[in-house]
Amino acid sequence: DAGVTQSPTHLIKTRGQQVTLRCSPKSGHDTVSWYQQALGQGPQFIFQYYEEEERQRGNFPDRFSGHQFPNYSSELNVNALLLGDSALYLCASSLGKNRGDTQYFGPGTRLTVL
Amino acid sequence: QQQVKQSPQSLIVQKGGIPIINCAYENTAFDYFPWYQQFPGKGPALLIAIRPDVSEKKEGRFTISFNKSAKQFSLHIMDSQPGDSATYFCAAVQTGANNLFFGTGTRLTVIP
Repeated sequence: DAGVTQSPTHLIKTRGQQVTLRCSPKSGHDTVSWYQQALGQGPQFIFQYYEEEERQRGNFPDRFSGHQFPNYSSELNVNALLLGDSALYLCASSLGKNRGDTQYFGPGTRLTVL
Repeated sequence: QQQVKQSPQSLIVQKGGIPIINCAYENTAFDYFPWYQQFPGKGPALLIAIRPDVSEKKEGRFTISFNKSAKQFSLHIMDSQPGDSATYFCAAVQTGANNLFFGTGTRLTVIP
């Protein structure tokens, strides 16, 4: 049973560039949430996708956008990168929306913005 | 504003010791309190969780103590082992909501 997978593992970008991160949910899950984990901090909720729509959003600017595909996989896009966007980006999947209590996390994508 | 406050920031114990990590919250709507374990380069993994209708939950060497009136909960690791060395996060969420609110993490080191 495959868990949550994310790609790429690491990514280096420069300020102003755009980046796309990818996530495949755990088998049987249909909901994907994205979190940003800055160094030495706990993860912070960015948004959640269910039925290919953004269902809830945390306190992040609209430079952060996403997409969910019919196979439930998801992408996180960040435009106009800032140095402060450097972080570990985590994807979590669950079955059904509004299930913050049953989220399984992937290994994350480490984004470095220079 | 930090919805869940966690302490200490770091903790060093001898093998066999009982590290205790504490968390506090303000939002009384929270009704699910998980603890996550994170190793370097990995995502957080659910360790144990509790709902406020019980005061204690044990799973193997891990115990959560919950004080609803004080809005505090803690993780105890019995007979700690070097393999327990990791960062531990408490979190809170409201049933029916999507987003987990995490504490700032505790880096635990267990010395052999």
